[in-house]
Formats: sequence, C-alpha cells, structure tokens
Amino acid sequence: GAVVSQHPSWVICKSGTSVKIECRSLDFQATTMFWYRQFPKQSLMLMATSNEGSKATYEQGVEKDKFLINHASLTLSTLTVTSAHPEDSSFYICSARAPRGWGYEQYFGPGTRLTVT
Amino acid sequence: QQQVKQSPQSLIVQKGGISIINCAYENTAFDYFPWYQQFPGKGPALLIAIRPDVSEKKEGRFTISFNKSAKQFSLHIMDSQPGDSATYFCAASRGSSNTGKLIFGQGTTLQVKP
Repeated sequence: GAVVSQHPSWVICKSGTSVKIECRSLDFQATTMFWYRQFPKQSLMLMATSNEGSKATYEQGVEKDKFLINHASLTLSTLTVTSAHPEDSSFYICSARAPRGWGYEQYFGPGTRLTVT
Repeated sequence: QQQVKQSPQSLIVQKGGISIINCAYENTAFDYFPWYQQFPGKGPALLIAIRPDVSEKKEGRFTISFNKSAKQFSLHIMDSQPGDSATYFCAASRGSSNTGKLIFGQGTTLQVKP
C-alpha cells in the first residue's frame, strides 16, 4: 500500500527558532502534497498545497513567510516553521496525492507534534 | 458551498452493533468521497472511498452508501469492534481536478463498548 512518512514525529523547540518537517512518499511519485494543521479534537485544517517545482499555494489566513514550503522532488516536501512561537504548537500532518494510475487518492503521513516552549 | 457537514459529532455503539456516520455536501462538482480513520496521535488512514457512479461500495465490514440526488453519503461499520474506536472523517473533492484538494467534515468520535 501507499506509504507516506514524516520526520520528525515530534519536536520541541524554543520560541524564536525554526523547525523543519519532512514529508516523503515512499512508494509513489506525488506531484501534489498537502500540509495540514490539526488542533486537539478538531478536524484537519488545510494550510497549503505543494506542487513539485512550483511555489506552494497557501490557504487564506496562513502566513506564507512563517510556514515555508518546499517541494524539492516528486517524493519530498518540507514545511519550515520560522521563528516559532508557542501558538504554533500543534499537530502537523502532510499528505501526498497518488498519481492517476493509483486513483488520485490522498495518503497521509503519521503527523509531527510540534511543541514550542 | 465548499462545506461538508458530518454527523453525529460523537457516537457510542455496543460491540457487534452497526455504526452509522453521515455526511452531506453542497458542491455538485465533487466527484470523490473518501472516509478516513484516525487514532489519537496518528495521521488519518484512508479507509474506503467512493465515486458518484456507484451507490454503494463495500470493503469488509465497512460500507459507503452514496445518494447523489440528496448529496449525502454515509459510512456503515458492521459488527463494530472496540478496535474501531477512533475518529472518522468524511471528505469530498473534485478528484479529477489539478489538485484534488480535500474538504473535510468535522469528524465523528466513535466509541465501541465491549
């Protein structure tokens, strides 16, 4: 089956520092990846859509200068939270969209728990 | 018009019972309707998905029923087990579009009592 990995699974950082989260599709090439944020007991909130080789498309209200997304290859997208603050603490989840031959289905990574102290 | 409304918010079912979660959408351009299962601290896992050309899809104990005219779809979990206790999200998208961006429902927390 389709596997999407995320690294790290959890991270604690000090306020003002930057944190990078990696998302990899392990067994298929994903032209499109997505980044979500999820608060406890809430639904997934789409932050941005990442297409390989082009700039990410951010959802309304998401600061693109704070949440930097790079889709460097068909199997890797990264989210960098710059100058993190305690309010950025959350569960960040990526997903990768399978190609047409796989039915375009979206597969999610295991998530990254970010705590900013 | 982009919303997907999911109900109930929470559900308690006895072991062996049937769990039913409902979703409704507005955008008739949606053509892909997946259900995801999420355990605490984990990412959502694709459970089952349907496209509007069929009214029902079954995979094991999980069945999606789809009513195109009513713009509703539901997940049925037969013979519910304690291991099914999780949060379930329905979603919808224009699967054939360039991005296939998913619109999620609010989620249903299912508890299956032994």
